[in-house]
Amino acid sequence: AQSVTQLDSQVPVFEEAPVELRCNYSSSVSVYLFWYVQYPNQGLQLLLKYLSGSTLVKGINGFEAEFNKSQTSFHLRKPSVHISDTAEYFCAVYRDQFYFGTGTSLTVIP
Amino acid sequence: DTGVSQDPRHKITKRGQNVTFRCDPISEHNRLYWYRQTLGQGPEFLTYFQNEAQLEKSRLLSDRFSAERPKGSFSTLEIQRTEQGDSAMYLCASSLEGGAEAFFGQGTRLTVV
Repeated sequence: AQSVTQLDSQVPVFEEAPVELRCNYSSSVSVYLFWYVQYPNQGLQLLLKYLSGSTLVKGINGFEAEFNKSQTSFHLRKPSVHISDTAEYFCAVYRDQFYFGTGTSLTVIP
Repeated sequence: DTGVSQDPRHKITKRGQNVTFRCDPISEHNRLYWYRQTLGQGPEFLTYFQNEAQLEKSRLLSDRFSAERPKGSFSTLEIQRTEQGDSAMYLCASSLEGGAEAFFGQGTRLTVV
C-alpha cells in the first residue's frame, strides 16, 4: 500500500512571502504524484501533477513542485502567496487509486 | 461538459435512516471513484469502478455501504442504517483509465443526527 505524509498540518505565512508545503511518499514502484487544493465546503481542484519527465512541474495559480525520487518527496512551492491562496492543500499519489495525505492548512496573513 | 456533479450537496438524516447519493462523472471518463473525508482529514478511498465493474472496495466500506454504476455512467452510493460516525463529506471523482488526471465533484456533506 502507498502512504503519503504531509509534514506540516498548518502553515501560516505573510502575504507576498514564499511558501513550501512538504510531502513525502512511500512507494517501491513508480507512481503518479499530485497536489490538490480544497476551499471550504468545496471539492478538490487539481493544482499540478507529475507523471514522468521533468522533475520540476508547474501548475495553476503560480504553484510549482519538484519530484525528488531519491528522497521520495514532492514539495509544493510558491514564490509569493496571495490572500486567495488560503486553503487546504493535499498531496496524493496514484496507483490504481488515489492515496491522500492528511492535508496542510495554508493561512495567508495580510 | 460541466465536470463531475454530485447530488445532493447537503443531506441531514436521522440515525438509522437510509441515504443515497448520486454522482454524474465527466461523460467520457470510464473510471469513477468514491472517497470519504472527515473533518481535518484527507480523503479516504471507498471504492472505484471501471465502466460498470466495481474493481476495488476499501475495508472502510462496511456491509451497510453499497455502490453501483449500472450502465457505466452515473453512480450511486447508498448507506443503510446510518450512524453518527457516517457524518462526513462524500466525494466522487472520475478519470480516464490510468488516473492521469482525476476531476472531483463538489461533494455531498452528510450529517447524521
